[in-house]
Parts: sequence; structure tokens; C-alpha cells
Amino acid sequence: EAGVAQSPRYKIIEKRQSVAFWCNPISGHATLYWYQQILGQGPKLLIQFQNNGVVDDSQLPKDRFSAERLKGVDSTLKIQPAKLEDSAVYLCASSAPPRQTNTEAFFGQGTRLTVV
Amino acid sequence: AQKITQTQPGMFVQEKEAVTLDCTYDTSDPSYGLFWYKQPSSGEMIFLIYQGSYDQQNATEGRYSLNFQKARKSANLVISASQLGDSAMYFCAMRETGSGYSTLTFGKGTMLLVSP
Repeated sequence: EAGVAQSPRYKIIEKRQSVAFWCNPISGHATLYWYQQILGQGPKLLIQFQNNGVVDDSQLPKDRFSAERLKGVDSTLKIQPAKLEDSAVYLCASSAPPRQTNTEAFFGQGTRLTVV
Repeated sequence: AQKITQTQPGMFVQEKEAVTLDCTYDTSDPSYGLFWYKQPSSGEMIFLIYQGSYDQQNATEGRYSLNFQKARKSANLVISASQLGDSAMYFCAMRETGSGYSTLTFGKGTMLLVSP
């Protein structure tokens, strides 16, 4: 079974530029998560989708970050314009609908963003 | 308030020894699940072990076991017979389901270094 695919693996941009990340979840997984992991910290949830609807985006900086999940499969996360503090690893994860406590999330390898 | 607290920024252990990584959590939801993930330097998040709030016995998976003390709201990970390949970041995470769909909330992590 293929895992969660993310691209690109690495990205370096200048501040005020825009950037987009792509995620393809595990086939059949209705729930998709985007996490931001700043160096030395734990992952912080940015947005969670259930199919193509948003379940939780309370920690998404909506003035500069946007995300979409068209057709309830692939997802893109965009930052425009980027700031230095956006430098982090962006992790995508997917799972079955988390109606039970033991629902495991499967993670991609992440995209490491450096803003200079 | 922090939902997941990991108070040990770093831990050192010698090969073949056992090590305990601490995790305390905060929730008023009677139904919740606790996860431990390992994140090597390559960046992917690897699921290790799960404990449900209603589970009567502590979870075990090979060399990993979870010391679950519900009254103290702690879920410490015990790694027996440490190996060099265990050197990584370890994250405790919690999933609550009280409001229907739930998110997975992570602690800040503990860096484990195993020396020969």
C-alpha cells in the first residue's frame, strides 16, 4: 500500500514570495491533515479536512495561508506572502474518519521550507 | 493550557539499557487515545504504540511499552534494551473524540540519544 506522498521535499524561497505544497493521501482515507513543525517543536495542526470539507482550521493564519482539497483526494497548502517565521517542515497526514480514539494518522515525509 | 506535556527536552541512554520518556496530558473527555510517534532525522513520523483511555492493560509492542496511569494523566513510553537506531525525536500525542471529529494534538517532543 502506497503511503502519503508529499512534494516537494525541500523548498527555499525569499520572504514575500509565494509557495505551494502538494499532498496525496493514502487511498481511501477521508481525513487529511496539514501540520507545521518548527525546528525543535512538535507538529502543530494547521488544517484538517474531512473529504473536501474543512473540519478544523482554527490555527491556520488565514491572512497568508490557504489550503484546498478538491474532489476529496489531493490537497495543496499555499503560503502567500511567506515570512521568515514560516520556515518549518510541513507535514501532511491522512487517516480514516477519526470517530474512534484509536484512529491512526499516517504521515508523509514532509516538505522542508526555508524562507530567507 | 498545554494538552500534552513532555518535560524532557533530551534524554541520554546507553545501548541495551531501558529508558522512560515522560508524557502527561490534560483532557476532560472520558474517551481519548494516546499515541507515541518516533521521528528520526529523516523526518517521517513513525507510529509506535497506542493506549486507549478505557484499556484495562498497559499497551505493549515489542520493545515498547506504555506505562499508563490514568489518575495521574500520564502515559510514559518505556523502551527496553535500547538500540543505536532508537536515537530520534519522540512525540506523545492525544486524540479526543468528545465533539465528534477529532484532531491529533502533539507534545513538544523528547530527543533520545543512544550511545554505544
